Amino acid sequence: ETGVTQTPRHLVMGMTNKKSLKCEQHLGHNAMYWYKQSAKKPLELMFVYNFKEQTENNSVPSRFSPECPNSSHLFLHLHTLQPEDSALYLCASSQDRGQGRSPLHFGNGTRLTVT
Amino acid sequence: AQTVTQSQPEMSVQEAETVTLSCTYDTSESDYYLFWYKQPPSRQMILVIRQEAYKQQNATENRFSVNFQKAAKSFSLKISDSQLGDAAMYFCAYRDYGQNFVFGPGTRLSVLP
Repeated sequence: ETGVTQTPRHLVMGMTNKKSLKCEQHLGHNAMYWYKQSAKKPLELMFVYNFKEQTENNSVPSRFSPECPNSSHLFLHLHTLQPEDSALYLCASSQDRGQGRSPLHFGNGTRLTVT
Repeated sequence: AQTVTQSQPEMSVQEAETVTLSCTYDTSESDYYLFWYKQPPSRQMILVIRQEAYKQQNATENRFSVNFQKAAKSFSLKISDSQLGDAAMYFCAYRDYGQNFVFGPGTRLSVLP
């Protein structure tokens, strides 16, 4: 499955660094999502974009800043993170039009470690 | 708010045997979708099977089938003829007609040779 591509695959950053996660979908979907997956916790929805417009911000701290320049690309800008932000960050997309609703299609994730 | 519960944190099955993973959910909606996702060690979340709530017939995909009980709000996954490659975390998920996706906590499935 190469429909949703995430880079980098692994990222180690210090608490004072600024980095960005990138997601690209090749499926022609209109909605894109950021999820956080921590050990022993359910998937946490962070942000949702629909046709480039943010439709969901699930009380995420401001040190996480999303950007969606078009329906195919999604970024997550990171700055002054905390060690507890270490997790797997998953990007997903879906197609929501008319009466149909598609499942989420996920990327491979970025494993983030904050030191 | 919708919730999804998976009461089995871990399960194991002998190769070639059948295993059933449980999932219950809570919603006041009448139309929605249910999914099972598989997450192997490679980390990619892979869609296994989907069910539309308005369809009474249980979905089937090769060795994977579901038992959808709408009144009981139950959505279990049956894996027949289990293979070593089926070992993974399995997540049950609910979505409504908006963009509300809710995932369960997952069940770790081990397949014993």
